[in-house]
Amino acid sequence: GQSLEQPSEVTAVEGAIVQINCTYQTSGFYGLSWYQQHDGGAPTFLSYNALDGLEETGRFSSFLSRSDSYGYLLLQELQMKDSASYFCAVRPSNTGKLIFGQGTTLQVKP
Amino acid sequence: EPEVTQTPSHQVTQMGQEVILRCVPISNHLYFYWYRQILGQKVEFLVSFYNNEISEKSEIFDDQFSVERPDGSNFTLKIRSTKLEDSAMYFCASSERGQVNQPQHFGDGTRLSIL
Repeated sequence: GQSLEQPSEVTAVEGAIVQINCTYQTSGFYGLSWYQQHDGGAPTFLSYNALDGLEETGRFSSFLSRSDSYGYLLLQELQMKDSASYFCAVRPSNTGKLIFGQGTTLQVKP
Repeated sequence: EPEVTQTPSHQVTQMGQEVILRCVPISNHLYFYWYRQILGQKVEFLVSFYNNEISEKSEIFDDQFSVERPDGSNFTLKIRSTKLEDSAMYFCASSERGQVNQPQHFGDGTRLSIL
């Protein structure tokens, strides 16, 4: 089976840096993705890691360590609009299926 | 920017009735997916579809569910005889290719309420 663990809630202030961790257990592994979801709306793709290391996209970065079955999403220069749920998702096969974690609710305070 | 569009945004149906949820994927995308999200819970994979056939389905996707691409633009999810526990947000997604580094683009979802 597959399981992903991520914190349920994180709170930070505007301008700060926050890291959302994700650990996973899957039968196969083809990459770790991160999605953002505002108020139950459409999940929006943020980043993807297939190989170990850091991927940077603007204020957002994502890291993967396959040996540790661990990844994280790093959000810098937090803005109020970053308040949302963040999901890590694993591709356990090459069919495109995504297995999502339970999501982390990020609250950014002034 | 191209979008995945889903209709209706909200569907209310009596238990036991059939429901069809509709999606128009991004036009040059070839891979299509349905996910569902029960209120307050995680997004769950239902089915992936490529080249007019199902490529993978989850345990949730039982005989009550079916998908179809009736023409060159629409992608539908049918639930034959709805149950109370089918109440959820249903998301359609598409990707340009099937490679694992291809992001999936999600629609805004259809909120299905079973009474």
